[in-house]
Amino acid sequence: GAVVSQHPSWVICKSGTSVKIECRSLDFQATTMFWYRQFPKQSLMLMATSNEGSKATYEQGVEKDKFLINHASLTLSTLTVTSAHPEDSSFYICSARVGGTSVVEQFFGPGTRLTVL
Amino acid sequence: GEDVEQSLFLSVREGDSSVINCTYTDSSSTYLYWYKQEPGAGLQLLTYIFSNMDMKQDQRLTVLLNKKDKHLSLRIADTQTGDSAIYFCAERKRGSTLGRLYFGRGTQLTVWP
Repeated sequence: GAVVSQHPSWVICKSGTSVKIECRSLDFQATTMFWYRQFPKQSLMLMATSNEGSKATYEQGVEKDKFLINHASLTLSTLTVTSAHPEDSSFYICSARVGGTSVVEQFFGPGTRLTVL
Repeated sequence: GEDVEQSLFLSVREGDSSVINCTYTDSSSTYLYWYKQEPGAGLQLLTYIFSNMDMKQDQRLTVLLNKKDKHLSLRIADTQTGDSAIYFCAERKRGSTLGRLYFGRGTQLTVWP
């Protein structure tokens, strides 16, 4: 099956620094990737939809200058949390969409745990 | 309100059946999915059902869809401790060109030995 990786799997950083999270589709090309944020005991909150070669589409309430998304190739999307603060601490999950009409279109990465001190 | 609703917790004894319920609001949804999330991990697709189906069985998993009531359920037969996880129901709406999914809040299933 299609495999999606995320790197790093966890990161601890100081307040004010920027953190980059990578999402890769390992054995397929993904024209679309989704970035989610998950708070403890809560569902996934879609942050943005990332399309290769174009600007990401952010959900209402998500600061695009805070969460920079770059989808530079068909296998890689990155999420950069700029000037991170403790309230940005969360579990970030990406998913990659297989092109075409397959019913099972989204494959999820294992997630990245971000802790901001 | 939420597009997709689930009860938050379910506890069962090992060997019993588990039934996780979900309601959704968009009657035009094309596909409905069940995902499993183990602690600290991403989402694993368990099964899915197309909106014109009533039931789908896959080994220990049975999905029932009541389209009239917009109700979806996942039954796990012979539940094991390894089934303890969070289970998410998700819908893909008709016309969703990018394949966006709408998730429920997840049901925490705890299986007691």
